[in-house]
This record gives sequence, C-alpha cells and structure tokens, in this order.
Amino acid sequence: DTEVTQTPKHLVMGMTNKKSLKCEQHMGHRAMYWYKQKAKKPPELMFVYSYEKLSINESVPSRFSPECPNSSLLNLHLHALQPEDSALYLCASSLRDSIDQPQHFGDGTRLSIL
Amino acid sequence: AQKITQTQPGMFVQEKEAVTLDCTYDTSDPSYGLFWYKQPSSGEMIFLIYQGSYDQQNATEGRYSLNFQKARKSANLVISASQLGDSAMYFCAMRDYGNNRLAFGKGNQVVVIP
Repeated sequence: DTEVTQTPKHLVMGMTNKKSLKCEQHMGHRAMYWYKQKAKKPPELMFVYSYEKLSINESVPSRFSPECPNSSLLNLHLHALQPEDSALYLCASSLRDSIDQPQHFGDGTRLSIL
Repeated sequence: AQKITQTQPGMFVQEKEAVTLDCTYDTSDPSYGLFWYKQPSSGEMIFLIYQGSYDQQNATEGRYSLNFQKARKSANLVISASQLGDSAMYFCAMRDYGNNRLAFGKGNQVVVIP
C-alpha cells in the first residue's frame, strides 16, 4: 500500500460534468504534485504545490483547477473536460520540493471522459 | 534542457537472474538527483532508489543498485535475483536546479519469466 492515497481509483465522466480528484498524505511532506500519464508514456507534470502555495503550473488548461486546502490534502477539480483528457492522474508528495527528495506517488485515478 | 535516455526495447528476464537497465542523462548543472521508479501494470509508481550527483558511492537498496558513472552520464539500474513481481515498466528520472522538474525517460519494459 502506498502512503499517498488517491480517490477515486476510477472515474468516468461526461464532458459537461464537474468532478474532483483527491489526494492525501500524512508523511509530513510539504510538497505535492499532480501528474498526467497517458498509456505507455512517462508522467507529465501538471502542478506543484510547495508549502501549500502553487509554485508551478505547466500551462495546464483552466478546465483543471488544483487546490491545496492544507499540507496533507491536494485536490484537482475537473470541469468541461475533453476526451483527450482521459488518462491516469497521479499525485505525488515529497518532504520538500528539492532535487534530492524522492517523490512518492499514489496509485492514481484512471479517468475516462465520454 | 534535461534529457533522459532509455533505449532498450522490452526485456525478458529469467527468474533469479540479474538484469541491468540502461539510463543516460544530459545536464549542464553540476548538482542533480537521479531516481528510478517501477510501475507495474496496475499503475502505481513506486520509488526504488536515489543517487545524488555528489555521492561518492553507488546507491543500493535491497536487490536494487545503481551503477553511477558520472563522467559517462550514466545511471544504470541493476536488479539482482529477479522475481516474477519485478515485471513492470521502469523509469529513470533526473532533477537539476536548472529546470527544477523531475524529468522522466521513456521507460524500460521488463518481463520476468519463470
């Protein structure tokens, strides 16, 4: 079992729906990340939060809206998604956002857009 | 710009044998971190091992060891005594201060056969 918990594990939604992905960690990590991964490809960084502040947004479309309510929680709000947004969404955390800190990933949410 | 190269095609490995996964990287930054991750078909990304650019010794974690050749910019992963559960995609990743993002290679698919 991973120490980064993501819910739900699977999500199917229509293009007009609003849904949220949730990520939680209790390791005292102060950096949290969202990645998008297409099949047989490496993960692509979407957002980075460091000490609950958004530090990196990799030019992600506004239909993806991240939120970090506290140091243990990270949400990704979804609205009006496109079929090409279907992917595995991975959350990760690290002790701090630094080159020497490994990122620990959750199991991911498999998202399908109808 | 960071670049991580993993060029081996999919590999079949006999159970209990050792396997080496190649990774070369390109950075002009003297400070960087190197990471290996395992991703089984179920999707979770599992951190395996870390090597810092200034570390004098090769990193080891249980059956995993990293063959770090700094001058060649090479960070190969060695898995000893392969097990069926080692069947997965393996990603090499690097992070330096210049880009300050975890950059992944394309991955190596490993299948362990009994």
